[in-house]
Amino acid sequence: NAGVTQTPKFRVLKTGQSMTLLCAQDMNHEYMYWYRQDPGMGLRLIHYSVGEGTTAKGEVPDGYNVSRLKKQNFLLGLESAAPSQTSVYFCAGTRVRGSEQFFGPGTRLTVL
Amino acid sequence: SQQGEEDPQALSIQEGENATMNCSYKTSINNLQWYRQNSGRGLVHLILIRSNEREKHSGRLRVTLDTSKKSSSLLITASRAADTASYFCATVLPGANSKLTFGKGITLSVRP
Repeated sequence: NAGVTQTPKFRVLKTGQSMTLLCAQDMNHEYMYWYRQDPGMGLRLIHYSVGEGTTAKGEVPDGYNVSRLKKQNFLLGLESAAPSQTSVYFCAGTRVRGSEQFFGPGTRLTVL
Repeated sequence: SQQGEEDPQALSIQEGENATMNCSYKTSINNLQWYRQNSGRGLVHLILIRSNEREKHSGRLRVTLDTSKKSSSLLITASRAADTASYFCATVLPGANSKLTFGKGITLSVRP
């Protein structure tokens, strides 16, 4: 089992470019999450999904969109990247509401 | 907004010593979780303690929860150099669709 995987691992964008981060899991997670991690800020929730076809806003959703067309995939999109979106992005999932979350290895994104 | 606040922000100890890390939170919780993050990696779940529990053990880890003081502590006994990492507490609020709210983390350094 691969667990929770993220693609790509690293990416450099120019301001205004767009990109999609892919999170894939083979752990049958019902709930999936996108976080960003910035120095001294801990992890902040961007968007989350409580099941296939559902999405909801987290703490810092502005500038991001998500889709969960298939249960095993959760996509995070940046339509017009800004330097403030330079961060490390983590995807996580869980099968049981409120229980432990399983994290992917992260995507380091730099926006110039 | 930060629900969990860890203390201290950084801790440096000698191998073999015990490490105690604290987490305080602001509102009633469903459960509290501790995670570890090695440098450049994703978060790994360590232990979950529910609001009706006072203490849990897992190997060299001991977690306590005091709901009257809205605080939790993580004790790592007989620390090893491999315990060097950042540690995060995260809370799940009642009825919060399983969302985790993370603190900013504690950096633990264990000197060989």
